[in-house]
Amino acid sequence: GENVEQHPSTLSVQEGDSAVIKCTYSDSASNYFPWYKQELGKRPQLIIDIRSNVGEKKDQRIAVTLNKTAKHFSLHITETQPEDSAVYFCAASINFGNEKLTFGTGTRLTIIP
Amino acid sequence: NAGVTQTPKFQVLKTGQSMTLQCAQDMNHNSMYWYRQDPGMGLRLIYYSASEGTTDKGEVPNGYNVSRLNKREFSLRLESAAPSQTSVYFCASSEESSFVNEQFFGPGTRLTVL
Repeated sequence: GENVEQHPSTLSVQEGDSAVIKCTYSDSASNYFPWYKQELGKRPQLIIDIRSNVGEKKDQRIAVTLNKTAKHFSLHITETQPEDSAVYFCAASINFGNEKLTFGTGTRLTIIP
Repeated sequence: NAGVTQTPKFQVLKTGQSMTLQCAQDMNHNSMYWYRQDPGMGLRLIYYSASEGTTDKGEVPNGYNVSRLNKREFSLRLESAAPSQTSVYFCASSEESSFVNEQFFGPGTRLTVL
């Protein structure tokens, strides 16, 4: 089955700096890669996703890049703000997400004011 | 719309006790999922249901059973709770679509097994 590895497990950045979280996946059939954000004590929520037919997707300060050949994808957050502090999970799925997701182990991002 | 709801929010069990976690969604989604979340382990899939009347095992199904009661409801049962099942349990649902793939999560149930 699919295996998703996520690094780093914790990340601290100064407010205003950029943060990058990286994930690798094992199943070359995976074609859908979402990122979920979980604030302390809350439920996970989708923040951005990418399909295998594109290499990059942006939404304001958040971007995701995908390298199918190397089987890795990354989340980039620019101009970080205190409200970006949370745990971020990457995931992978086949069938463009109409199948079960396999999640990474999460990255705890702390923004230092 | 309430989205995805779960009951109870908190539960403490003794080893060997049984209980059922309830989940309901009002978004008319076909697919529903049960995850457990443990520190450093991410979200691990226990069982999922692609449609009413079907269920499939996920990554960590041992010690659990599920029932897809109807399109709205998907319950998770622990027949004989063990301390290793202490965790936060999340239910989720999603649309089957070529365009919309987001999984919507419930608020979670924090379960402690003594």
